[in-house]
Amino acid sequence: DIQMTQSPSSLSASVGDRVTITCQASQDIRKYVNWYQQKQGKAPKLLIYDASNLETGVPSRFSGSGSGTDFTFTISSLQPEDIATYYCHQYDNPPYTFGQGTKLEIK
Amino acid sequence: EVQLVESGGGLVQPRGSLRLSCVVSGFTFSSYEMTWVRQAPGKGLEWLSYISGSSSTIYYADSVRGRFTVSRDNAKNSLYLQMNSLRADDTAVYYCARIRSTIVVAGPDYWGQGTLVTVSS
Repeated sequence: DIQMTQSPSSLSASVGDRVTITCQASQDIRKYVNWYQQKQGKAPKLLIYDASNLETGVPSRFSGSGSGTDFTFTISSLQPEDIATYYCHQYDNPPYTFGQGTKLEIK
Repeated sequence: EVQLVESGGGLVQPRGSLRLSCVVSGFTFSSYEMTWVRQAPGKGLEWLSYISGSSSTIYYADSVRGRFTVSRDNAKNSLYLQMNSLRADDTAVYYCARIRSTIVVAGPDYWGQGTLVTVSS
């Protein structure tokens, strides 16, 4: 099974900061990574698909990059409404797997 | 508008069974692959299963293979998850989700609101 190692597990940043989350796959998964935002008590929301494509309607401060085994998710300027937990997800090879999540808080 | 609505969750005793349903609207259900994902209280997301549009291809996570069965009824725009031999560690919110593309490899885009399954005596 492909393991997705996501870091950090938690992150505290100030409004306006640049925030970066990484996911490392245990084997080559090409570009097949999504990034999701999950707010408390809500279903996950797709932000980035195929590693670097912004889902329709998602603010441009969110971005993703990477291929192969190393992937990065970035918020260019943190906003108060970005408080949530973020997950990477690989769908290259079943069983498909999620990263452990990164809980983002405002300082 | 794309909508997915799960139902069927509730309290069940260990070793019991439960059948979850996910009714969808706003898209051509038969054309889309679907998936189930769960989230234990206070924990992360866990992928459970995948089913193709025609039900010809099905995958499971190791944690549920042999106990859970995914199926769909395209005439009823419905996805199902039959859960047998339930254990305490199956306690979670269960989400159904649509796979984003009908053409290329893709992950989930739209998700339901989830249904809570509690396994306890």
